[in-house]
Amino acid sequence: EDQVTQSPEALRLQEGESSSLNCSYTVSGLRGLFWYRQDPGKGPEFLFTLYSAGEEKEKERLKATLTKKESFLHITAPKPEDSATYLCAVQDFGNEKLTFGTGTRLTIIP
Amino acid sequence: DVKVTQSSRYLVKRTGEKVFLECVQDMDHENMFWYRQDPGLGLRLIYFSYDVKMKEKGDIPEGYSVSREKKERFSLILESASTNQTSMYLCASSPPDRLTDTQYFGPGTRLTVL
Repeated sequence: EDQVTQSPEALRLQEGESSSLNCSYTVSGLRGLFWYRQDPGKGPEFLFTLYSAGEEKEKERLKATLTKKESFLHITAPKPEDSATYLCAVQDFGNEKLTFGTGTRLTIIP
Repeated sequence: DVKVTQSSRYLVKRTGEKVFLECVQDMDHENMFWYRQDPGLGLRLIYFSYDVKMKEKGDIPEGYSVSREKKERFSLILESASTNQTSMYLCASSPPDRLTDTQYFGPGTRLTVL
């Protein structure tokens, strides 16, 4: 059974203080790993898909990386508008379903 | 831009009522999904559909049914609502893709069952 564990559950940073969020996963065969951003009361917003170990993707202050066991979402010099819950999900080969972690709630303090 | 819309942002129903949640996507996507999201439990898949009139059970289908009569529309039905079905309901759609199926989500429906 696929499993996804995200850490920490919550993270408070000062504006400009860089950090990383972790997503550890267990799948029999990774088809894709997904990162989403979710604002309170809204649906998840797609950020990145990573397919294989060593792959990296960037968008503004966010960079996602992937190894065979985990993914990191690095946030560089964050701003208050980066405050949100960040969700990680994995998809197994031969499976349309995604398995989600419970998310990291990120708060950026001005 | 992919657009997934859900019929209501907030809904309040009474125990035993039949509840319909509607989802529409405008990108001609093959696959559509219904999730519920609860604090501490994350997103859990209720049902999904990979074609018109096709449906597959997800991880928590009990108490729910679905309907997909047209490609762009996927409905979630609570036959007899119960208080433990109070939750945030999220619809998603994805195109068939050679490598993987990125799912795009709607804004969600916050359902309260009294």
